[in-house]
Amino acid sequence: GAVVSQHPSRVICKSGTSVKIECRSLDFQATTMFWYRQFPKQSLMLMATSNEGSKATYEQGVEKDKFLINHASLTLSTLTVTSAHPEDSSFYICSAGRLAGAETQYFGPGTRLLVL
Amino acid sequence: AQKITQTQPGMFVQEKEAVTLDCTYDTSDQSYGLFWYKQPSSGEMIFLIYQGSYDEQNATEGRYSLNFQKARKSANLVISASQLGDSAMYFCAMREGWGRDDKIIFGKGTRLHILP
Repeated sequence: GAVVSQHPSRVICKSGTSVKIECRSLDFQATTMFWYRQFPKQSLMLMATSNEGSKATYEQGVEKDKFLINHASLTLSTLTVTSAHPEDSSFYICSAGRLAGAETQYFGPGTRLLVL
Repeated sequence: AQKITQTQPGMFVQEKEAVTLDCTYDTSDQSYGLFWYKQPSSGEMIFLIYQGSYDEQNATEGRYSLNFQKARKSANLVISASQLGDSAMYFCAMREGWGRDDKIIFGKGTRLHILP
């Protein structure tokens, strides 16, 4: 089946630093990928839609200057948390659809971010 | 307004019993898809079952079946013969549209505990 990977799986950083998370579709091309954030014991909240070759579309309330998204190729999207603060600590998950009219989104394994 | 409503924050079920997880949705679109995902403690999102809005038959995948009642806008997940490994968070989700680039919105989830 389709596989989506994320790197790193876990990251701990100091407050004020920036963290980059990569999302790769390993065996298919994805013109669109999605980034979600999940706080403990809560649901997945869609942050933004990452579009290959164009600007990301952010959901209401998500700071685009805080969460930079780059979809440089058909298999790679990156999320950069800039000037991270402890409240940015969360589980970040990406997903991608494989085919037009696909019945499923394929999710990456997630990245746990802890900002000290 | 909430698009996906899961009214059961937590459930306890005896092993081998069947369990129904409730989900109602809100959309004005004619074309949409409904999903159920399982999220164990590891955090990965595991696709369980999909129902398209035009599908006349209820979807089934092994021990999982989706009780789709379009007029009531409900899409309950039924797990037959529950197993200890079924203990996890379960999310109902909806995609408005048919394309792989259409975003998926998640409900708040139900935490299922299977008792030995």
